[in-house]
Amino acid sequence: EDQVTQSPEALRLQEGESSSLNCSYTVSGLRGLFWYRQDPGKGPEFLFTLYSAGEEKEKERLKATLTKKESFLHITAPKPEDSATYLCAVPLYNQGGKLIFGQGTELSVKP
Amino acid sequence: ETGVTQSPTHLIKTRGQQVTLRCSSQSGHNTVSWYQQALGQGPQFIFQYYREEENGRGNFPPRFSGLQFPNYSSELNVNALELDDSALYLCASSLGGTHPGNTIYFGEGSWLTVV
Repeated sequence: EDQVTQSPEALRLQEGESSSLNCSYTVSGLRGLFWYRQDPGKGPEFLFTLYSAGEEKEKERLKATLTKKESFLHITAPKPEDSATYLCAVPLYNQGGKLIFGQGTELSVKP
Repeated sequence: ETGVTQSPTHLIKTRGQQVTLRCSSQSGHNTVSWYQQALGQGPQFIFQYYREEENGRGNFPPRFSGLQFPNYSSELNVNALELDDSALYLCASSLGGTHPGNTIYFGEGSWLTVV
């Protein structure tokens, strides 16, 4: 069964304390993985797409990496404005473009 | 700003009623998907439309239905509302159907509360 699991469910950091979020997946024929940021009461905001194992992408304090079984979202020297829920999702192109989401990691960064 | 707009932003309905949610896709995007997101959960795929045809559906009952119009705007209709239908409903648009490389952009969502 196609599945996406994120850990931890919640993460509390002090400002400047770097850490990583994990997204593990079991899907047949991975053809991409998305990362989104979601603020409370808002829709998901696109961050990255990764296509193949070994690929890395960066945006400000965020860096996403991909292996054959999981993806990591590394947050370097986070700031309070990085507080949000981070979602990863895998597209199933043989099922009408369905995205399977993880349950998200709720990140809180305290000053 | 993703260019995907949804209306209404919030609404309250009574159990058994019907609701229509609307979505305007990003300019030029011919593919629209709808998702349901319960509190504390990731979004769940309802269905996708590509060039006015439904081309994918998740595990939702037939009382969840949709339309895509020639201008690629879309509607989600839910009949016989149940309390468990209370959730954030998200519209997402992309260009070119279901292909790798197509970024999927989400709107801000419509909050539905069923009482």
